[in-house]
Amino acid sequence: GAVVSQHPSRVICKSGTSVKIECRSLDFQATTMFWYRQFPKQSLMLMATSNEGSKATYEQGVEKDKFLINHASLTLSTLTVTSAHPEDSSFYICSATTGGMTNEKLFFGSGTQLSVL
Amino acid sequence: SQKIEQNSEALNIQEGKTATLTCNYTNYSPAYLQWYRQDPGRGPVFLLLIRENEKEKRKERLKVTFDTTLKQSLFHITASQPADSATYLCALTGGYSSASKIIFGSGTRLSIRP
Repeated sequence: GAVVSQHPSRVICKSGTSVKIECRSLDFQATTMFWYRQFPKQSLMLMATSNEGSKATYEQGVEKDKFLINHASLTLSTLTVTSAHPEDSSFYICSATTGGMTNEKLFFGSGTQLSVL
Repeated sequence: SQKIEQNSEALNIQEGKTATLTCNYTNYSPAYLQWYRQDPGRGPVFLLLIRENEKEKRKERLKVTFDTTLKQSLFHITASQPADSATYLCALTGGYSSASKIIFGSGTRLSIRP
């Protein structure tokens, strides 16, 4: 199946620093990628939809200036958490669909556990 | 507002039995419904997809049903094994385009005891 690579898998940073998370589709082109965050024992909450070559679409309540998304190519999307604070500590996961026009079957990265001290 | 509910937060059953997980939704007309497995500290892994015009789908020991009248999907694992222990998520999407959002339920943590 299609592979989505996400790194780093774990980040520990000081409050106020910025953290960049990369999401790559390794063997397919992804025109659309999704970014989710997940708190312990809770479900995935969609943060934004990342479209190659255009601005990301953010869900209600997600600060676009805090969570910067760049989808510069068909195989790479990045999420930058700017000026991170302890409440941003969470599990961040990206996903992508395989080529074509349908969104059947999401392939997920392995996630990034962010801990802000 | 749209809501997806997985009725059991946790389910604990004996090895060899059939595990049945429930997913209910309201205020939503999904094009299709998916089930994913998630292990701790990992991203979800796709298991099965069932379309709005399908009643049942099977894959090896897995079976999914979809009742759009009841707005419910059931996910069955037959002959359950300890290796099936994980969190299972249902997910809905309203459209077929690559940009259609996929919304997840809160998950059911399944534990299979030997």
